[in-house]
Amino acid sequence: EPEVTQTPSHQVTQMGQEVILRCVPISNHLYFYWYRQILGQKVEFLVSFYNNEISEKSEIFDDQFSVERPDGSNFTLKIRSTKLEDSAMYFCASSGYNYGYTFGSGTRLTVV
Amino acid sequence: SQELEQSPQSLIVQEGKNLTINCTSSKTLYGLYWYKQKYGEGLIFLMMLQKGGEEKSHEKITAKLDEKKQQSSLHITASQPSHAGIYLCGAGPGGSYGKLTFGQGTILTVHP
Repeated sequence: EPEVTQTPSHQVTQMGQEVILRCVPISNHLYFYWYRQILGQKVEFLVSFYNNEISEKSEIFDDQFSVERPDGSNFTLKIRSTKLEDSAMYFCASSGYNYGYTFGSGTRLTVV
Repeated sequence: SQELEQSPQSLIVQEGKNLTINCTSSKTLYGLYWYKQKYGEGLIFLMMLQKGGEEKSHEKITAKLDEKKQQSSLHITASQPSHAGIYLCGAGPGGSYGKLTFGQGTILTVHP
């Protein structure tokens, strides 16, 4: 069964630091996403990415966030100048038209 | 924006019992996804429904989308401790792509 792979599984960072969360989507999927889940809350959409550009983003996805597909396999989420409220589980997902919508196992980000 | 309401919020059953989780949408559902999440872990895809009246089954889990496409139900037959977890419904534009909006989740506990 193809998987979406996320690294690292856990990340602890100091407030104000930059973090990069990494994802390897499923190889034949064309759409890529980042979601987050603050402890005890709903899974929230951050951004979708298609054809090397952002196709949709939520209000949460402000200038502090950026995404990139630096090569043919990786998809990254960069959070600049992290805040305490950025502490959450971040999920990468990928999908293909009628090929399913698969989530990774997540990166738990803790900002201290 | 689309809102999904899941009921019940939590459910405790004895092993072997049947149970149903409901997901009600504020708008028409074009793509309805069911996922299972273990606490603090990733989302595991269960099923996707798109057509009114559609029903899909996998092992002991059956999901249905009503004819009006505003409500979905997830039914587990003869529950087992392995079914325990958080069940999430998510709504998207259909076709396995696009932003998903999630319900708040239903916490299922199965006592042996």
